[in-house]
Amino acid sequence: DGGITQSPKYLFRKEGQNVTLSCEQNLNHDAMYWYRQDPGQGLRLIYYSQIVNDFQKGDIAEGYSVSREKKESFPLTVTSAQKNPTAFYLCASRYRVGSPLHFGNGTRLTVT
Amino acid sequence: DQQVKQNSPSLSVQEGRISILNCDYTNSMFDYFLWYKKYPAEGPTFLISISSIKDKNEDGRFTVFLNKSAKHLSLHIVPSQPGDSAVYFCAASALGNQFYFGTGTSLTVIP
Repeated sequence: DGGITQSPKYLFRKEGQNVTLSCEQNLNHDAMYWYRQDPGQGLRLIYYSQIVNDFQKGDIAEGYSVSREKKESFPLTVTSAQKNPTAFYLCASRYRVGSPLHFGNGTRLTVT
Repeated sequence: DQQVKQNSPSLSVQEGRISILNCDYTNSMFDYFLWYKKYPAEGPTFLISISSIKDKNEDGRFTVFLNKSAKHLSLHIVPSQPGDSAVYFCAASALGNQFYFGTGTSLTVIP
């Protein structure tokens, strides 16, 4: 069954620690994206990647890092430099230009 | 600066009636527009899209209208059903790279 898998569903970390959120897709989609959702706000783009070994910053990339070593995988690292890391993180992928984004079910990160 | 805006945070509609959700955008380079439905603690689900060469696209109970001169799009749901109750996001893209999302409208369909 094809789809986008984000794990874990819930993640708890202490302030000052880096944490990596997993995103895997078996849809053979070229492009992958990371968004963040905060209460009362829309989805804000963190990073996106259109091909393997290439990625671009979105509007709120500060304090985050990504890698795209395989087409299927696009992990997001939330570093200790991210000032407000507690949020709902969504990974998405797109087959080609002109096709919609498909989303995973998200990871809720809580940093205390 | 918010390039895609949904100015109504919430909307309530009686079952069977029409739901109209609105969205405005500022970037004239946007050429692809989408609507998503989202339940709490889940990822958004794609509903319907429209390219800038069209002004209307239908899929079952869902119709999206695009008014390029006004930089406005709307989603019509007819007839509305209780299962349609969710948060709806509009999104826009230029050349299919970055996708910009509005802040969402929470739709409640009253049985």
